[in-house]
Amino acid sequence: AQRVTQPEKLLSVFKGAPVELKCNYSYSGSPELFWYVQYSRQRLQLLLRHISRESIKGFTADLNKGETSFHLKKPFAQEEDSAMYYCALIRGSYIPTFGRGTSLIVHP
Amino acid sequence: NAGVTQTPKFQVLKTGQSMTLQCAQDMNHNSMYWYRQDPGMGLRLIYYSASEGTTDKGEVPNGYNVSRLNKREFSLRLESAAPSQTSVYFCASSARDGESPLHFGNGTRLTVT
Repeated sequence: AQRVTQPEKLLSVFKGAPVELKCNYSYSGSPELFWYVQYSRQRLQLLLRHISRESIKGFTADLNKGETSFHLKKPFAQEEDSAMYYCALIRGSYIPTFGRGTSLIVHP
Repeated sequence: NAGVTQTPKFQVLKTGQSMTLQCAQDMNHNSMYWYRQDPGMGLRLIYYSASEGTTDKGEVPNGYNVSRLNKREFSLRLESAAPSQTSVYFCASSARDGESPLHFGNGTRLTVT
C-alpha cells in the first residue's frame, strides 16, 4: 500500500531562514511525487513534481529513493511562503495519496 | 478555461438534511475525486471516478454517495447530514488515472449543526 508521512504538523521559522518540509513515502514501485501548496482558504495548487526537477518560487525537492524521501527545501523563507504544504504520491493506482500536511509559518 | 468549479462555496445544514455538492471540470480530464479536509487529518479521499461511468469508494465513503453524470461532472450527495460531516470538501480532477497531477476546485465549506 502507498503511504505518505509528513512528520511535522507545524513548522515555524523567521524570514530569511532556511526551510525544509519533510516527506517520506512507502511504495514498492517507482513513485511519482508532488508537493501541493494551499494558501489561506484557497484551493490546493501544484507546487512541484519530482520528474520536472524544477525550482518554483525558490523551492526545490529531490527524490531520494534510498531514504524514500521527497523533502521540500527553500534556502531563504519569505513571509508569503506561509501556507499549508501537502506531499502527495500518485502512481500505480487510481488513488492519489496525500500526507497530512505541514503548516509553514514564516515570521517577519 | 475555468478549471474545476465547485458549488456552493458555503453551506449550513441541520442534522438529517440532505444536499448535493456539484463539481464540473472543463479540462477533458478522465478522473475525478472528492476529498474532505479536516484539521490535523489532511486530505482524505471520499470517492473517486477513474473514468466516466465508474465510481469507487475511497478512504472515508460512509454517509456519502456520488454520481459521475458525464465526463465533466461529478457530484457528491449527503443523504442525511451529521455533525461529523462538517468539513471542507474539495473536488479534483486529473488527466489520467493515478498518474497525473490533480487540479483542485476552490472547496465547499460545509457546517452541519
